[in-house]
Amino acid sequence: EAQVTQNPRYLITVTGKKLTVTCSQNMNHEYMSWYRQDPGLGLRQIYYSMNVEVTDKGDVPEGYKVSRKEKRNFPLILESPSPNQTSLYFCASSFTVGHEQYFGPGTRLTVT
Amino acid sequence: GENVEQHPSTLSVQEGDSAVIKCTYSDSASNYFPWYKQELGKRPQLIIDIRSNVGEKKDQRIAVTLNKTAKHFSLHITETQPEDSAVYFCAASMTGFQKLVFGTGTRLLVSP
Repeated sequence: EAQVTQNPRYLITVTGKKLTVTCSQNMNHEYMSWYRQDPGLGLRQIYYSMNVEVTDKGDVPEGYKVSRKEKRNFPLILESPSPNQTSLYFCASSFTVGHEQYFGPGTRLTVT
Repeated sequence: GENVEQHPSTLSVQEGDSAVIKCTYSDSASNYFPWYKQELGKRPQLIIDIRSNVGEKKDQRIAVTLNKTAKHFSLHITETQPEDSAVYFCAASMTGFQKLVFGTGTRLLVSP
């Protein structure tokens, strides 16, 4: 079954404690992206990757890191989380940015 | 960079009525315009998309129109049903510019 998976689905953590949210896709997509969703602000792109070892900033990259060492995986790293990073995070993948994006189930992160 | 504005933020209709959601974009080079539907607690899913070489596209009760001169595009849902209740997001991107920029979303409520 074609899918995008994310883990964990829910996470409550404290300020400053490094965390990683994993994302994996099995569709051989080249383009992968991370978004955060906040009420009234829609979906905002954090980082994207056009292929292995090729990543770039989206519109809200501050406080986040990513890596793309394998085509299927695109982890999101928060090295020192802060309360303003409390949000719902979605990973997505597609053949290119100009094709249907398949979203993961989302990760709800709370930073206290 | 690209900016996408979406209106209205909420829309209430009676079952069987039509619903129209409008988006405007800022960069005339944008050439791909998808619409995503997000049901409560679920991930966004593509419902229809249009490219800049096409003025209108239909899929059963859903249609999208694009006015490149005015830089706006609209989602039309006819004969609305309660299961159409969801948040709808428009987005825009352009070839060579790898970001996908979303609007802030429209919450559609269809009352029986």
